[in-house]
Amino acid sequence: DGGITQSPKYLFRKEGQNVTLSCEQNLNHDAMYWYRQDPGQGLRLIYYSQIVNDFQKGDIAEGYSVSREKKESFPLTVTSAQKNPTAFYLCASRWGPSGAEAFFGQGTRLTVV
Amino acid sequence: KQEVTQIPAALSVPEGENLVLNCSFTDSAIYNLQWFRQDPGKGLTSLLLIQSSQREQTSGRLNASLDKSSGRSTLYIAASQPGDSATYLCAVWGSQGNLIFGKGTKLSVKP
Repeated sequence: DGGITQSPKYLFRKEGQNVTLSCEQNLNHDAMYWYRQDPGQGLRLIYYSQIVNDFQKGDIAEGYSVSREKKESFPLTVTSAQKNPTAFYLCASRWGPSGAEAFFGQGTRLTVV
Repeated sequence: KQEVTQIPAALSVPEGENLVLNCSFTDSAIYNLQWFRQDPGKGLTSLLLIQSSQREQTSGRLNASLDKSSGRSTLYIAASQPGDSATYLCAVWGSQGNLIFGKGTKLSVKP
């Protein structure tokens, strides 16, 4: 099956811990994105990457880190510096130039316990 | 800075009704516009992509229009069904190569 796979579906983090959310795509897409979704806030961009080994901060990058060592993978680490990490995290990808159709994974719900 | 607004925030209609969801954006210099559907607790499903040179795009019972000059897009759903109940999100492609989202319209179609 072609698509975007996010894992795990649910993740629980203790205060002070770093956690990593996985995003893998087998669509051969160039660009990948991480968004955060909170009730009533809409989707906000955390980081994005248009090519391997390059990425840019989005609107709310503080407390997060990413890497893009392979075209198909774009993991997101939520660090202990992120003060309010409980949210629904969505990964997306698109092929080619800006404006091409974007596709999303099924999301990871992160809860701080 | 590009801002995307969706009105109404929530909408409840009886089954079979035709309906229109609205999306407006502040900067008309967009690449393309994309409509998504989101079911509770799920990811986003792409419904329609309208390229900046197009006026409208159709898929089944869905029709999306785009008027760049006025900064507006509409999503028309014909003959609504209970299975159409979901949140509908509008997003525009910004100059930096990222999608900018509205907060969505939550649609409830009652049998």
